[in-house]
Amino acid sequence: AQSVTQPDIHITVSEGASLELRCNYSYGATPYLFWYVQSPGQGLQLLLKYFSGDTLVQGIKGFEAEFKRSQSSFNLRKPSVHWSDAAEYFCAVGTYAGKSTFGDGTTLTVKP
Amino acid sequence: DAGITQSPRHKVTETGTPVTLRCHQTENHRYMYWYRQDPGHGLRLIHYSYGVKDTDKGEVSDGYSVSRSKTEDFLLTLESATSSQTSVYFCAISVGAIGQGGTGELFFGEGSRLTVL
Repeated sequence: AQSVTQPDIHITVSEGASLELRCNYSYGATPYLFWYVQSPGQGLQLLLKYFSGDTLVQGIKGFEAEFKRSQSSFNLRKPSVHWSDAAEYFCAVGTYAGKSTFGDGTTLTVKP
Repeated sequence: DAGITQSPRHKVTETGTPVTLRCHQTENHRYMYWYRQDPGHGLRLIHYSYGVKDTDKGEVSDGYSVSRSKTEDFLLTLESATSSQTSVYFCAISVGAIGQGGTGELFFGEGSRLTVL
């Protein structure tokens, strides 16, 4: 069965600093990978996705992620964090019929 | 905007009572999902649907049932609510499922917060 691990439950960064959120997955086939963001009291919004091609994918809000098959990782990065990026971030692996398995999430706090 | 509406948005109920949550979409997408979100557990799939009257179980389906009599509506029912079902419930749709020509990305409603006392 597929699984997703987000090792960091909570990360705090200063505004303007760079960010990397880690994601490791386990899946037997070629993975479809996603990062979603959730602001307090809201639903999840897709940040970016990977399913083939270039292993560095660009998303909305200045985020990018790199797929590394050898490490079973799909880490999310942003060069300079803004206060509005404070939220909870979820990594997910997609499977047949559109079902997705999610990690437990990483909460990002941004210090002024 | 994927046109997903969940109702009710908030509900408090007593243990043992039935509860139905409704998910309504405006764009006739085939695949619809119910997830629950709990602290420290991310999102877990309860049930999903791949068409009218076509549904299947997810990883945490015990105590829940679903129905889909119209493309636009996907109902989640707790026949006899328990305190362990206190959670935030999210409905989602997939514009194109993996294996069906799509990439499986999900679009979510705003959630229904259920408290079972």
